[in-house]
Amino acid sequence: AQSVTQLGSHVSVSEGALVLLRCNYSSSVPPYLFWYVQYPNQGLQLLLKYTSAATLVKGINGFEAEFKKSETSFHLTKPSAHMSDAAEYFCAVSEGSSNTGKLIFGQGTTLQVKP
Amino acid sequence: EAGVVQSPRYKIIEKKQPVAFWCNPISGHNTLYWYRQNLGQGPELLIRYENEEAVDDSQLPKDRFSAERLKGVDSTLKIQPAELGDSAVYLCASSLGLVITYEQYFGPGTRLTVT
Repeated sequence: AQSVTQLGSHVSVSEGALVLLRCNYSSSVPPYLFWYVQYPNQGLQLLLKYTSAATLVKGINGFEAEFKKSETSFHLTKPSAHMSDAAEYFCAVSEGSSNTGKLIFGQGTTLQVKP
Repeated sequence: EAGVVQSPRYKIIEKKQPVAFWCNPISGHNTLYWYRQNLGQGPELLIRYENEEAVDDSQLPKDRFSAERLKGVDSTLKIQPAELGDSAVYLCASSLGLVITYEQYFGPGTRLTVT
């Protein structure tokens, strides 16, 4: 069965510093992978997705993620953190081999950005 | 264009009482999802609809939870009777279709507290 592990429930960076949020997945079939962001008291918003095309995926708000099959990872990065990036981030993997499978979410990583 | 609308935003009830949540998806979105998000966790799918048909309700606790999507638009999720462990945020999402690469758009959720 597919699963997602997000390493680090809390990450704190200084404004302007590199953001790195880690996600490792387990899947017996080629996965679809997603990163979502959730601001306080709001629903989730899609940041980016990997759908078996380019391994380096660029998303909104300057975020990008790289699919590494050998490491079963899909880490999220941003070169320079802004205060507005403070939120909770969720990595998700598709379930099953069908492209109509459901999403399996990780437990989330809270990003704190210090001035 | 309006996003996914959910009501109420907050609900506090005593255990053993019934409760209902309402969701209005984005116009034209055939697929509707209900998720439960426990504190400090990622969302977990409860049920998903393709138009009026529930295509995946395997995670819905059918002894106390029910859902409907009449006319393939609005949806209601009900819990009867509520238990303390049902305290969570209930998220509704919609997408163009079941294909997993279609973006899911999330509503702000209903925060349920059972006392």
